[in-house]
Amino acid sequence: EIVLTQSPATLSLSPGERATLSCRASQSVSSFFAWYQQRPGQAPRLLIYDVSKRATGIPARFSGSGSGADFTLTISSLEPEDFAIYYCQQRGNWPELTFGGGTKVEIK
Amino acid sequence: QVQLVESGGSVVQPGTSLRLSCEVSGLTFSGSGFHWVRQAPGKGLEWVAVIWFDGSKTYYADSVKGRFTISRDNSKNTVYLQMNSLRAEDTAMYYCAKDRGTYHFDYWGQGTLVTVSS
Repeated sequence: EIVLTQSPATLSLSPGERATLSCRASQSVSSFFAWYQQRPGQAPRLLIYDVSKRATGIPARFSGSGSGADFTLTISSLEPEDFAIYYCQQRGNWPELTFGGGTKVEIK
Repeated sequence: QVQLVESGGSVVQPGTSLRLSCEVSGLTFSGSGFHWVRQAPGKGLEWVAVIWFDGSKTYYADSVKGRFTISRDNSKNTVYLQMNSLRAEDTAMYYCAKDRGTYHFDYWGQGTLVTVSS
């Protein structure tokens, strides 16, 4: 099983600051790599798929990058609604689909 | 707009069964694959199962294999999750999610809560 490790567990930042979230896989994974945002009491929402493609309606301040086993989600300038939990997800060895443990972005 | 509406969650005893439903609207149901993803209270996300657009293939997480069955009725635009031999560790919010075609989930329902407790 491929394990996804997200870091940091919690990121304390102020609105307007840049957020950099990391996700490391236990082995090299395919380009079927995604990021989701989950606000309190809500279902997750797809932000980024195929490593770097923004999902429909996602603002340009969200960007994804990476390859092999290391992936990054960057939020260029935090808006109040961006304070949430973020999960990475990969296809891995199909039919295995796994998520990272999440990074909470909180207001400093 | 696209809507996925789950139902069927409840409080049940260990060892019993439950069937969840996910009614889908706003898209071509028969052309899409669907997943169930769960989230235990205060925990992260766990993929549970997937069903192909035509129902020809299904896959499960090891944690539910042999106990859960995913199915669909294309005439009712509904996906199901039959859960048997429920355990305390199956307690979670269960989300239905559409596959965007590359093993990612582009539309989600609001979830239905399953609590397994004696």
